[in-house]
Amino acid sequence: QKEVEQNSGPLSVPEGAIASLNCTYSDRGSQSFFWYRQYSGKSPELIMFIYSNGDKEDGRFTAQLNKASQYVSLLIRDSQPSDSATYLCAVRENRDDKIIFGKGTRLHILP
Amino acid sequence: GAGVSQSPRYKVAKRGQDVALRCDPISGHVSLFWYQQALGQGPEFLTYFQNEAQLDKSGLPSDRFFAERPEGSVSTLKIQRTQQEDSAVYLCASSLADTQYFGPGTRLTVL
Repeated sequence: QKEVEQNSGPLSVPEGAIASLNCTYSDRGSQSFFWYRQYSGKSPELIMFIYSNGDKEDGRFTAQLNKASQYVSLLIRDSQPSDSATYLCAVRENRDDKIIFGKGTRLHILP
Repeated sequence: GAGVSQSPRYKVAKRGQDVALRCDPISGHVSLFWYQQALGQGPEFLTYFQNEAQLDKSGLPSDRFFAERPEGSVSTLKIQRTQQEDSAVYLCASSLADTQYFGPGTRLTVL
């Protein structure tokens, strides 16, 4: 059974601070890694994807991947109240394969 | 349209009724995925199409669930003899390459 594990939270972070979200996965064959943001009552929205070990930065977001440790994280710099949402970690083995989602981490940015 | 659309957005069914959920993917997107998301959980894979071919239906929870995409564009997820445990949000996603774009979902409530 391929699994993606996340701490359900809630994770509370002061406005302006760095929010750090973590995820581990069980399938060593996973090739693609995604972070989705989901606001309450809305559908998931892709924030970042990463394929290679190391860091990938996009604006205030940085995704980090360590395949040896089967670990992927998302850092949000200068957190804003609008960042309050559930963040879903997801992995995929092959390009056209299904995505396996974690249960999500609820993030709350404190104004 | 610019994105994935789903209809109806909300559906209430009495236990035992059949329901049909529709997904209109982004024009030109080859791949189409169906997911089920229970409250407080991440999306769980149901089935996947590449054009009209159903390549993976391993996530369908029972033979009451059936999906089709006869012309390689619009897809329908049908649930026969609905049960209370079928209550969830059903998400459709389409992709052309690596990124899956989600529709707004259909919230199914079985009474």
